[in-house]
Amino acid sequence: AQSVTQLGSHVSVSEGALVLLRCNYSSSVPPYLFWYVQYPNQGLQLLLKYTSAATLVKGINGFEAEFKKSETSFHLTKPSAHMSDAAEYFCAVTSSGSARQLTFGSGTQLTVLP
Amino acid sequence: DADVTQTPRNRITKTGKRIMLECSQTKGHDRMYWYRQDPGLGLRLIYYSFDVKDINKGEISDGYSVSRQAQAKFSLSLESAIPNQTALYFCATSDPHRASYNEQFFGPGTRLTVL
Repeated sequence: AQSVTQLGSHVSVSEGALVLLRCNYSSSVPPYLFWYVQYPNQGLQLLLKYTSAATLVKGINGFEAEFKKSETSFHLTKPSAHMSDAAEYFCAVTSSGSARQLTFGSGTQLTVLP
Repeated sequence: DADVTQTPRNRITKTGKRIMLECSQTKGHDRMYWYRQDPGLGLRLIYYSFDVKDINKGEISDGYSVSRQAQAKFSLSLESAIPNQTALYFCATSDPHRASYNEQFFGPGTRLTVL
């Protein structure tokens, strides 16, 4: 079984401030982890993914995430928030089993304040 | 052109009506999925299909049915819509043979309102 917990359904940051969105997972086998972003009235777009190579993963739009096995975490960060980063962010986990289904967290709505 | 398309993009219907949501893809992927998104709940899997002859129930399949008409087409039906099926519905595709992590690609979504 696998699950994802996103701490904080709403996060607000000032423009130029650090963005930190938290994701913790549970998985009985080594996981693959994803962050997706959903802009208003749009579908989900892949930000970045961890696929058991480097533990620090860089994605699009200046975002990165670090896989920490000991903490079962995959937090998303960006050094300096931009107004265009306002969106909903979803963390998701899958594993190397035959089904390889994605399990999503409940999402974090990021607001960027001017 | 978009790789994964969904029709309609918005739909308002009444309780008890039958409704079909359609998904088409040009990515050539074998696997297709239907999810629903509700505020505060993330995305939950309704049905998924490994190929035209292999369809499986997901976490929340009650009240829904699907049809995989071809590799490129996967439809979701609500036989008798009810208000708590009001949600945003997403179709997705993947090709696990391409990469073991089975990245999924999402359509733009269909916003369904059941009155």
